[in-house]
Amino acid sequence: EAGVAQSPRYKIIEKRQSVAFWCNPISGHATLYWYQQILGQGPKLLIQFQNNGVVDDSQLPKDRFSAERLKGVDSTLKIQPAKLEDSAVYLCASSLDRASGRNDNEQFFGPGTRLTVL
Amino acid sequence: QKEVEQNSGPLSVPEGAIASLNCTYSDRGSQSFFWYRQYSGKSPELIMFIYSNGDKEDGRFTAQLNKASQYVSLLIRDSQPSDSATYLCAVRLGGTYKYIFGTGTRLKVLA
Repeated sequence: EAGVAQSPRYKIIEKRQSVAFWCNPISGHATLYWYQQILGQGPKLLIQFQNNGVVDDSQLPKDRFSAERLKGVDSTLKIQPAKLEDSAVYLCASSLDRASGRNDNEQFFGPGTRLTVL
Repeated sequence: QKEVEQNSGPLSVPEGAIASLNCTYSDRGSQSFFWYRQYSGKSPELIMFIYSNGDKEDGRFTAQLNKASQYVSLLIRDSQPSDSATYLCAVRLGGTYKYIFGTGTRLKVLA
């Protein structure tokens, strides 16, 4: 079974530029998460999708960050314009359909995209 | 603000010893608790989950949950240098599929 795919793996941009990240979840996983992980910290949820609908985006800085999940499969996360404090690893994760009712709703993480803003 | 707290470490243990990692959480309605291991430069990988009070064992790993004290721990027996990593505690908030992660504890197993 293929895992969660993300691209690019690394990105270096200057502040005020824009950047986009792509994620392809595990086939059949309805729930998709984008996390931001700053060095030395745990992952922080930015946005959660259930199929192509947003479940939670309460911690997404909506003035500069946007995300979409067209057709309920792939997702893109965009930052425009980037700030120095956006330097982090952006992790995409997916999990089985939440309606399964299982407590062990394991999230599978992709390799992440390391963003450096200069 | 729902929180998950962990000691950032580093926690250093000699090879073959038991490593004990602790985590506390603030949301009393939390239902499921997860331990992830994260090697430097890699993404988190799930080690164990637990949702009932008590102990759950899987190989060298034991997760312990005490909901009354809002406390979850991970014991690693016979620690190996390959166990050296950051261990993240994650909590699924009650009534949601939203996960809050702690900052992680860095474990060093000394050969």
